Formats: sequence, structure tokens, C-alpha cells
Amino acid sequence: EVQLLESGGGLVQPGGSLRLSCAASGFTFSSYAMSWVRQAPGKGLEWVSAISGSGGNTYYSDSVKGRFTISRDNSRNTLYLQMNSLRTEDMAVYYCAKGWSATTSLCDYWGQGTLVTVSS
Amino acid sequence: DIVMTQSPDSLAVSLGERATINCKSSQSVLYSSNNENYLAWYQQKSGQPPKLLFYWASTRESGVPDRFSGSGSGTDFTLTISTLQAEDVAVYYCQQYYSTPITFGQGTRLEIK
Repeated sequence: EVQLLESGGGLVQPGGSLRLSCAASGFTFSSYAMSWVRQAPGKGLEWVSAISGSGGNTYYSDSVKGRFTISRDNSRNTLYLQMNSLRTEDMAVYYCAKGWSATTSLCDYWGQGTLVTVSS
Repeated sequence: DIVMTQSPDSLAVSLGERATINCKSSQSVLYSSNNENYLAWYQQKSGQPPKLLFYWASTRESGVPDRFSGSGSGTDFTLTISTLQAEDVAVYYCQQYYSTPITFGQGTRLEIK
């Protein structure tokens, strides 16, 4: 059974940093792309970033490029999102999602999400 | 960026009736080399993460009831629920995975009339 468990969310001040983690199990982690998708309170889904199965290719939305870094540790079956220079508009539930293949951002399994609150 | 526009924003349908949600992309998401539409549909129930319903526009994900169907090609797509059940109340999103940035429609809220 595929399981994705996000952690690392919490309250941070504007300009601060946070690192999200997503522990994956139930599938061969290195064989699949992974994504982060966020959802601001009461709003729709916004794709944030994706990484290929090998970790060799990364992709970002314009809204986070230069501030967020996606990475993965295939030996630990864990996905990360390092978030720097956080803004109030980054406040959202952040979902970790498994890709359908090694390269696609089609997401077939999603975690329960972790809430990031950016406020002074 | 490919802009995804869903219609309507919200929809109220009686139990047992048909529900139809439309999704339009600002450019074609049909990849000519494999003749596949890079379009997915997700269902999100209150307080839950999204759930994949369809990919390649019309391929139903395992476990999705066959009252759900996906159709369309190029820039125009449709999600249809043939006979609405109470458990289908949710927000539905289309997503293109043809190119980055990956983009979602704004969502359609489906309720019972």
C-alpha cells in the first residue's frame, strides 16, 4: 500500500525558513517522480515543484523559483522541500504526491498534507 | 503557461441525475507523438487530499466507479457523473501535465440539489 507522510509544517515568520519532509513507503521510491502541491485555505490546488525519480531533474513554479528547493534521498525514501524567504502568500497545506512514472507530474497518490502558516 | 478553465464554478444536481463538468485548456494538451491528452481529473472531498480519477483524459483510475467518465481531446474536456450519488459531493479539478508549470483548473464544487 502506497503511503506518503508529510512533516515539518508549522508557524514561521515572514522571511523565515522551513523544511518539509515526505516519507514514502509501499513502492520503489526511486522509480517515480515526486511533486509538491499546495492549497491555500479555502482555495484551489497549486503545483509547486517536481523532481524526477533519479533526482536529476527539478522543476518549479515561478512563484517559488529561487526560494524553494526540492530534493530527494532515494536511500531513505524521503522527499524534501526547503522553503526560504517565506511570504504570507506561501501559507497553505502542502501535499506530497507520487508521480505516475519516473518523469511525469501526473500524481496518482497524495499524502494528507502538512500545514505551513506564515505570520508575524 | 497553460491556463485551465473549468465551468461551472459550482453545480447542484439531484441524486440520480447527471452531472457534467467542463475543462478548457488555453492550448492543446494532445501530444502528437503518442496521441495522448495530458489531462487528469481529481476529486477532493472536504478535509481530504485530492484523489486521481482519470488520466490521459479518459483512462479511469483503478477503483473509480464506472458512473464516472472522462472525455475530450485537444483543448476541451468533460467529466461526467451519470447518476449522482451522495458520496460524489466534492470539488473536482482538472490538471494538465503536458508541460511545466503543471496547472490546475480553479475547481468545480458539486453539491446535491
